Amino acid sequence: LAKTTQPISMDSYEGQEVNITCSHNNIATNDYITWYQQFPSQGPRFIIQGYKTKVTNEVASLFIPADRKSSTLSLPRVSLSDTAVYYCLVGDVRTYKYIFGTGTRLKVLA
Amino acid sequence: ETGVTQSPTHLIKTRGQQVTLRCSSQSGHNTVSWYQQALGQGPQFIFQYYREEENGRGNFPPRFSGLQFPNYSSELNVNALELDDSALYLCASGGYYGYTFGSGTRLTVV
Repeated sequence: LAKTTQPISMDSYEGQEVNITCSHNNIATNDYITWYQQFPSQGPRFIIQGYKTKVTNEVASLFIPADRKSSTLSLPRVSLSDTAVYYCLVGDVRTYKYIFGTGTRLKVLA
Repeated sequence: ETGVTQSPTHLIKTRGQQVTLRCSSQSGHNTVSWYQQALGQGPQFIFQYYREEENGRGNFPPRFSGLQFPNYSSELNVNALELDDSALYLCASGGYYGYTFGSGTRLTVV
């Protein structure tokens, strides 16, 4: 199972774009990259998932370079309510056997 | 509404006791996984069930066991509780884009 490395914490201001990069050097061919958001004492919530290139949904974008050894979650115009821990996971979506890292603690300031 | 329901939400047990945590997964999701999340840490994979059989296990001792039932519900059982078992226990059911997590059960062992 691929291990991921993310920055431990980040600070940002309301209205700014936030980019969180995740390193996953030993990603396997069948692995997808998935990002989750977690608030205190709640379960992680799915944000976005991708395999390669760029994926965009209503809340975020995910950029994956051709070698797939890293990925970047982009949150446009963050608000105070985006303060949370963000986890990057790499795993085979057919097996659901994911390893969580320590995540990135994002703090959005007014 | 996540579609995954866990009970109870909070629980206090004494060291040496046994505990059963319950999860009701989303209908149609044949895969359920359990995670342990200590304070300030990322979720740690305990085990996974697919169609009522265990098909993956993390680095947890045998006193952590589980069951999955045909009605998409599942249980996590922990015997001989230790103080270090105090954590948030998360259940996740497997959907097309990855997991849907419950809100967890906060277990405190005293």
